[in-house]
Amino acid sequence: AQTVTQSQPEMSVQEAETVTLSCTYDTSESDYYLFWYKQPPSRQMILVIRQEAYKQQNATENRFSVNFQKAAKSFSLKISDSQLGDAAMYFCAYRSGAQGGSEKLVFGKGTKLTVNP
Amino acid sequence: GAGVSQSPSNKVTEKGKDVELRCDPISGHTALYWYRQSLGQGLEFLIYFQGNSAPDKSGLPSDRFSAERTGGSVSTLTIQRTQQEDSAVYLCASSLVQYNSPLHFGNGTRLTVT
Repeated sequence: AQTVTQSQPEMSVQEAETVTLSCTYDTSESDYYLFWYKQPPSRQMILVIRQEAYKQQNATENRFSVNFQKAAKSFSLKISDSQLGDAAMYFCAYRSGAQGGSEKLVFGKGTKLTVNP
Repeated sequence: GAGVSQSPSNKVTEKGKDVELRCDPISGHTALYWYRQSLGQGLEFLIYFQGNSAPDKSGLPSDRFSAERTGGSVSTLTIQRTQQEDSAVYLCASSLVQYNSPLHFGNGTRLTVT
């Protein structure tokens, strides 16, 4: 079974600075998808960014980018120019891309990000 | 367009009572998921629907938990004889049936069992 590990329960960053959240995963599959979700206090899970494992280029969405290292099974999230509204729980998630594979997303336990003014 | 809608937002129930949680997915999304999030924890998978069938119900923690989906749309998660350890936020999500399609989540139902 696939597992996702987020080794940083909590992180903090100064407003306008850059922060990197770590995520590693364990899988024997070669075809899969990775996601970062943000959960503010409202409880709504919001997709931040996604990466297809077959793509070598790292995904980027405005101030959010990932460092995808397939051989190392690492998928870190970098937030540049941090804003107060970025404060939330961040979850890393894995989804199989194999035919007949599980449809579900497997989540890590999350990292709580605090942004200091 | 409307997102995933869950009701109620909050539910307080006494130990031993049955509860029903409802999820209205995004129109056209054939895949529907239920997750449970306990305080300070990640998301624990419960069950996955493809249309009205549930090919993966491996995450249901006991036979007190059941779920159904009708008309390929609304889903109901039922917990019978609730226990205090059932207290959590129950999140529903829907998606298109494509591997790179993200899950769209509702705001969840916070269940408190007293």
